Amino acid sequence: DAEITQSPRHKITETGRQVTLACHQTWNHNNMFWYRQDLGHGLRLIHYSYGVQDTNKGEVSDGYSVSRSNTEDLPLTLESAASSQTSVYFCASSEVAGWEQYFGPGTRLTVT
Amino acid sequence: AQTVTQSQPEMSVQEAETVTLSCTYDTSESNYYLFWYKQPPSRQMILVIRQEAYKQQNATENRFSVNFQKAAKSFSLKISDSQLGDTAMYFCAFISGNTPLVFGKGTRLSVIA
Repeated sequence: DAEITQSPRHKITETGRQVTLACHQTWNHNNMFWYRQDLGHGLRLIHYSYGVQDTNKGEVSDGYSVSRSNTEDLPLTLESAASSQTSVYFCASSEVAGWEQYFGPGTRLTVT
Repeated sequence: AQTVTQSQPEMSVQEAETVTLSCTYDTSESNYYLFWYKQPPSRQMILVIRQEAYKQQNATENRFSVNFQKAAKSFSLKISDSQLGDTAMYFCAFISGNTPLVFGKGTRLSVIA
């Protein structure tokens, strides 16, 4: 069955380190998204992509970057992790812009 | 910019009863989609129901139904015959054209036995 996976599921890192969270989907969806979820804020969009080589900034993109070299993957990089980036991160994909998104299981990141 | 507001941070309901979760949104677009997502303690985001703005008929999915009032920009979720497994965070979301989903801050629903 097609699916969307995230790795790692849990990560603890130190302030200042570079961290990359992986997202892989097997639906062949063009659209992929990264969100962070924090108590009291719901889900906030970090970056998104509508196809290979396309990336766009979301609401809370500072300190994060993404690159899209193929359809299946959209890795999220924290260039220099900060304690404010402790959060749960969700990846999602959709077949068509404007349609429902399917979410991965999430990655809990703790920056100490 | 589009915004989505869920005014009820927490709600509770007795098992087998009916509960309604509120959602309002703000947009100048005429064509858009609205969604309700459920996030149980497992953290997985699950699509509950979808409504196309151009459809007057309210969407239903088994025990879940919506009351879509386009003029009032209101999109409430009704859960009938509540079950313990309905305990979760519920997020209302909006999308229009080529823009990403915009989420509300969520409503935490507890179903009490």
